[in-house]
Amino acid sequence: KAGVTQTPRYLIKTRGQQVTLSCSPISGHRSVSWYQQTPGQGLQFLFEYFSETQRNKGNFPGRFSGRQFSNSRSEMNVSTLELGDSALYLCASSLTGWTGEFGYTFGSGTRLTVV
Amino acid sequence: KNEVEQSPQNLTAQEGEFITINCSYSVGISALHWLQQHPGGGIVSLFMLSSGKKKHGRLIATINIQEKHSSLHITASHPRDSAVYICAALLNLTEGSARQLTFGSGTQLTVLP
Repeated sequence: KAGVTQTPRYLIKTRGQQVTLSCSPISGHRSVSWYQQTPGQGLQFLFEYFSETQRNKGNFPGRFSGRQFSNSRSEMNVSTLELGDSALYLCASSLTGWTGEFGYTFGSGTRLTVV
Repeated sequence: KNEVEQSPQNLTAQEGEFITINCSYSVGISALHWLQQHPGGGIVSLFMLSSGKKKHGRLIATINIQEKHSSLHITASHPRDSAVYICAALLNLTEGSARQLTFGSGTQLTVLP
């Protein structure tokens, strides 16, 4: 079966612009979560969506937002980009979420570079 | 102060050695996960623990809720086990039912042939 698909794989944006990243989960998975990974801060949780509702949110500014559609596909948006937003953005999908036994499947990530 | 502490940061072992990676956390949790990140960046979910012990092949994960500590063990290590291992705790915050997923800083494991 198809894995978690993230698009695009690579992206270069200018400071002040906004960006939208996309994540298509494994078919049947209702939980989609987003993460930021940088060399300095490591992996950090952004937010989790379950059946189109944001269920948990990490400690990121309001410039970071997301949504989930009825087919479970999710998008993440970052407005007014800053140099520090350069990172690998990962999404993961699961049947039930972080407390379930089924684990998470991660996508390959979107490498965002802000110049 | 990091709410999830992982050690060691780097670990080099000879093939066949028994390996232990530790993860401790400061508040109550709903679940703890162990993840493996390969050199190419792909992340694989290894275990979810809320209590006790789980085993999958040569990998064993344990958690002690009272001591707020979890360990990941690899028996008979092999060069293909070389990767970054990350623990992630779903912390129970004091504000209502909010929960915060927090990651350890990762352990870079290198297994030499």
